[in-house]
Amino acid sequence: SQQGEEDPQALSIQEGENATMNCSYKTSINNLQWYRQNSGRGLVHLILIRSNEREKHSGRLRVTLDTSKKSSSLLITASRAADTASYFCATDQTGANNLFFGTGTRLTVIP
Amino acid sequence: GAVVSQHPSWVICKSGTSVKIECRSLDFQATTMFWYRQFPKQSLMLMATSNEGSKATYEQGVEKDKFLINHASLTLSTLTVTSAHPEDSSFYICSQLGGITEAFFGQGTRLTVV
Repeated sequence: SQQGEEDPQALSIQEGENATMNCSYKTSINNLQWYRQNSGRGLVHLILIRSNEREKHSGRLRVTLDTSKKSSSLLITASRAADTASYFCATDQTGANNLFFGTGTRLTVIP
Repeated sequence: GAVVSQHPSWVICKSGTSVKIECRSLDFQATTMFWYRQFPKQSLMLMATSNEGSKATYEQGVEKDKFLINHASLTLSTLTVTSAHPEDSSFYICSQLGGITEAFFGQGTRLTVV
């Protein structure tokens, strides 16, 4: 399968804490993206990191990419209750024209 | 970013009937759109790639006669679930790729077949 794997599957933290989600994939990629999905809604793009980048920041988000290990992590700092959602990594794989999504992490931030 | 409008957001239909889901690109001409299916608490699985003016490309295991895709214009792609059965109940999402592969998603359609 070209689908990525994410861990943990579910994560529950207190407001103010940091949340870290990990994504592993299997093939060569052009870039890796992270998306957020609120329950029963479409996906919203959060951040894109290219294969030649190792780290990227956007607000409270920090993404790392290790192409040698075929893995990425998403860190959300100073979490808020409104961050409660499912988070998916998606890979833009070499030779493909669609994205392949990870299995997702369900994040719950407790006020 | 691009705006993708998907309609309806939810639909309940009787077993054996057909349901059409529309996906409109409001500010971007999309030659290609993607249809995904998502079961509860699971990831998105690509069903098919919709190509404007030509036949859709279906993923392995997806019945093309059951999930009819039409992409007649650069702004509209439709997915019709024909002869729906309860096992077709799912969340269907369309998307289009933006400028440098960032994807823009519709709001999704929750289909319940009773």
